[in-house]
Amino acid sequence: SQKIEQNSEALNIQEGKTATLTCNYTNYSPAYLQWYRQDPGRGPVFLLLIRENEKEKRKERLKVTFDTTLKQSLFHITASQPADSATYLCVLTDSWGKLQFGAGTQVVVTP
Amino acid sequence: DAGVIQSPRHEVTEMGQEVTLRCKPISGHNSLFWYRQTMMRGLELLIYFNNNVPIDDSGMPEDRFSAKMPNASFSTLKIQPSEPRDSAVYFCASSLAHTGGNIYFGEGSWLTVV
Repeated sequence: SQKIEQNSEALNIQEGKTATLTCNYTNYSPAYLQWYRQDPGRGPVFLLLIRENEKEKRKERLKVTFDTTLKQSLFHITASQPADSATYLCVLTDSWGKLQFGAGTQVVVTP
Repeated sequence: DAGVIQSPRHEVTEMGQEVTLRCKPISGHNSLFWYRQTMMRGLELLIYFNNNVPIDDSGMPEDRFSAKMPNASFSTLKIQPSEPRDSAVYFCASSLAHTGGNIYFGEGSWLTVV
C-alpha cells in the first residue's frame, strides 16, 4: 500500500538554527511532491512544489530536496524564527491523481 | 480574493441530528475537495468534484455522509444522522485542477457531536 512517513515527534529547535524535516514514501511514483504548513486551528497552506526532475527548490528561507531513488524529500527551514512554529505536511499524488497528506511534523522554534 | 469560505466555523450537535457544512470555493477554481482531519487519522479526502461533478467519493465513510455541488460557487457536506465518531475538523479546499498542483484550504468547520 502507498505510505507517506514523516517524523511523528515534534522537532524542537533554537531560533536561528536550521530545521530539517524528512518525508519518506513507499509505493508512489510521484511526478512531484508538495509541502504545506498548518497552524493550529487553521487549514493547511501550500508552501512549495518540487518536480521529479528537480533536485532542489528554494523559496526564501525554505529549501526542499527530492530524491526519487531514495524515495525521500527533505524540507529545510534556515535561520528559523518562532513564527516558523507550525506543523509541516508532506503531500504526494497517488496513482489515481489524488493528493495524499502525510501526518505532518510539528516544529517548535524557541527564542 | 476572499479565499475558500466555510461555515459554520464551529458546531456542536447532539447525536442523531443532521449536520450541514457549507463551502464557497475560490472563484474560477473548477475543483473542490472535502477533507476530514482527526488526530488519529490525519487529513483524509472524503470526496472531490470537478466542474461541479463528483469524481471520486470513495473516501466518504458511509451512507450517512453526502455531498452536493449545485453550482460552481457552492457545496455542502451533510451528515445524517450524526454520531460522536464524526467529531472532527472538516476542511473544504479548491484548486484549478483536480489532479496535481496546489490546493487552497478553508479555515475548517469544527464539528463536535455529543
